[in-house]
Amino acid sequence: KQEVTQIPAALSVPEGENLVLNCSFTDSAIYNLQWFRQDPGKGLTSLLLIQSSQREQTSGRLNASLDKSSGRSTLYIAASQPGDSATYLCAVASGGSYIPTFGRGTSLIVHP
Amino acid sequence: DVKVTQSSRYLVKRTGEKVFLECVQDMDHENMFWYRQDPGLGLRLIYFSYDVKMKEKGDIPEGYSVSREKKERFSLILESASTNQTSMYLCASTPLGYGANVLTFGAGSRLTVL
Repeated sequence: KQEVTQIPAALSVPEGENLVLNCSFTDSAIYNLQWFRQDPGKGLTSLLLIQSSQREQTSGRLNASLDKSSGRSTLYIAASQPGDSATYLCAVASGGSYIPTFGRGTSLIVHP
Repeated sequence: DVKVTQSSRYLVKRTGEKVFLECVQDMDHENMFWYRQDPGLGLRLIYFSYDVKMKEKGDIPEGYSVSREKKERFSLILESASTNQTSMYLCASTPLGYGANVLTFGAGSRLTVL
């Protein structure tokens, strides 16, 4: 059964810092990996999706990489802003029925 | 943009009541999912469906059932609500196939069972 771990569980940084969030998974036979953002009390918003055959994806200040062989993905946020404060979750799609399995998330606070 | 709409943002119910949570998507997606999210436990899959009238149990189906009579609508049913079902419920959908499928979520339904 796929297991997804996110480290750190919480992170507090000053505005302007570049930061890295980590996601690891146990079964490397994945279809894709997706990063989400969740604001308090809200649903999840998709940030980036990396297909199994890809190594990275970029959107604005966000860059996500995937290393299937080591079972790791990182989300890089450049020049962090207070508006980036949220919980970030990764989800790995694997198995015969395409079942996304989620990590527990990293709670990020960017203070001015 | 794909829209996934959950009909109720906040519900308060009493123990033993029957509860319906509705989810509708507007992009003809085959796959639909129901998760619950609890502090410290993350998102846990309750049920999913990959076609009309098809359903599969997820990790925590006990106490829940689902209905998918039409492709766009996936309903989660709590036959007899209990206090341990107080949670945030999240519906999601994605097209059939693998690889490039973005999982799209609704805004969530916060259920409190008294």
